[in-house]
Amino acid sequence: AQSVAQPEDQVNVAEGNPLTVKCTYSVSGNPYLFWYVQYPNRGLQFLLKYITGDNLVKGSYGFEAEFNKSQTSFHLKKPSALVSDSALYFCAVRDDGNYGQNFVFGPGTRLSVLP
Amino acid sequence: ETGVTQTPRHLVMGMTNKKSLKCEQHLGHNAMYWYKQSAKKPLELMFVYNFKEQTENNSVPSRFSPECPNSSHLFLHLHTLQPEDSALYLCASRGLAGGPTDTQYFGPGTRLTVL
Repeated sequence: AQSVAQPEDQVNVAEGNPLTVKCTYSVSGNPYLFWYVQYPNRGLQFLLKYITGDNLVKGSYGFEAEFNKSQTSFHLKKPSALVSDSALYFCAVRDDGNYGQNFVFGPGTRLSVLP
Repeated sequence: ETGVTQTPRHLVMGMTNKKSLKCEQHLGHNAMYWYKQSAKKPLELMFVYNFKEQTENNSVPSRFSPECPNSSHLFLHLHTLQPEDSALYLCASRGLAGGPTDTQYFGPGTRLTVL
């Protein structure tokens, strides 16, 4: 069965500093990995995904994530945080994407960017 | 704006009421999902429909009844709910597996309060 862990409930970072939101996963097949962001009273918005290819994936709003197969991790990063990046971030996984229908989401990490 | 709409955005109902949540996607996707998001809990998958056929019922109580009349519309019929059913109900759609839209696109959610 697939599972996703986000070890930090909350991440605080100063504006302008780099940020990292951690995610580790467990799947039986090949992982399809996703990051989503949720602003208050809104649905989840897609940021980026890893399917195959380059381990460094670039996404929306200057975010990127690095797939590390040996560590089964898919950490979200941004070189310079903005106050407007403050939100709830979810990592998700699905295995063998051509057949798997179900996404498993992590519990979420709340990012606070302090001015 | 993701192309997935949900109505109503807010709903307050008594435990004896019957109501329905509606989700509509204009993206040409073939898979649609219902999720429940409660405070301080991970996102819970409720139902999955693929090409109008239900492919997942994640042990959801029978007081929640989904309906998918076509690939663009998804309903969640509610009856005799409990206060613990109060949550944000999110709908999502997904494009063809392995294709460029192989991710989930979420609606804004319906905030449900059961009194």
